[in-house]
Amino acid sequence: GQSLEQPSEVTAVEGAIVQINCTYQTSGFYGLSWYQQHDGGAPTFLSYNALDGLEETGRFSSFLSRSDSYGYLLLQELQMKDSASYFCAAPTGGFKTIFGAGTRLFVKA
Amino acid sequence: DTEVTQTPKHLVMGMTNKKSLKCEQHMGHRAMYWYKQKAKKPPELMFVYSYEKLSINESVPSRFSPECPNSSLLNLHLHALQPEDSALYLCASSQGGLAGVNNEQFFGPGTRLTVL
Repeated sequence: GQSLEQPSEVTAVEGAIVQINCTYQTSGFYGLSWYQQHDGGAPTFLSYNALDGLEETGRFSSFLSRSDSYGYLLLQELQMKDSASYFCAAPTGGFKTIFGAGTRLFVKA
Repeated sequence: DTEVTQTPKHLVMGMTNKKSLKCEQHMGHRAMYWYKQKAKKPPELMFVYSYEKLSINESVPSRFSPECPNSSLLNLHLHALQPEDSALYLCASSQGGLAGVNNEQFFGPGTRLTVL
């Protein structure tokens, strides 16, 4: 089967660093994406890793290790507005993308 | 224009009603998607259109009928829905789905559907 596992909830304080992990099992793997979704809003694309290593985009970074079937999203200098759900996702080739169940991030003052 | 628009934002319908959801994008994307999302769950793929042809139907009940009139528009026709169909319906588009290529999807704001 194909699945992506991520923690259901993470809580952190403003200004801190938080890491959201994602482990995957897919029959064909092309890369790992991350999406952010605020309550009542639409998912928005954050990053995509096709190769091993760290990709940095501002306060957000994403990491992939193909040998470990593992990736993570790193959020630095947390702000209250970062409170949202974060989904890891894997395109399966063609037009289908599998989403993880999502991690709800709560940022406290 | 990097936006996917959806109408209406909210829809309440009875189980005997017929209604349609509309989606539009002007990014030149060749793939368009319908997703269903329940609260605190990930988006669940329903349909994919590629180059205006139905590419994927994830065994969706026939009371949901998609239509792609042209490369910019995507409709979802609803008929005889059940209360459990109440959810957020998201439209998305992407450039394409070539294997090994980032299939970044741009999502619309969704239609919040309530079936009474």
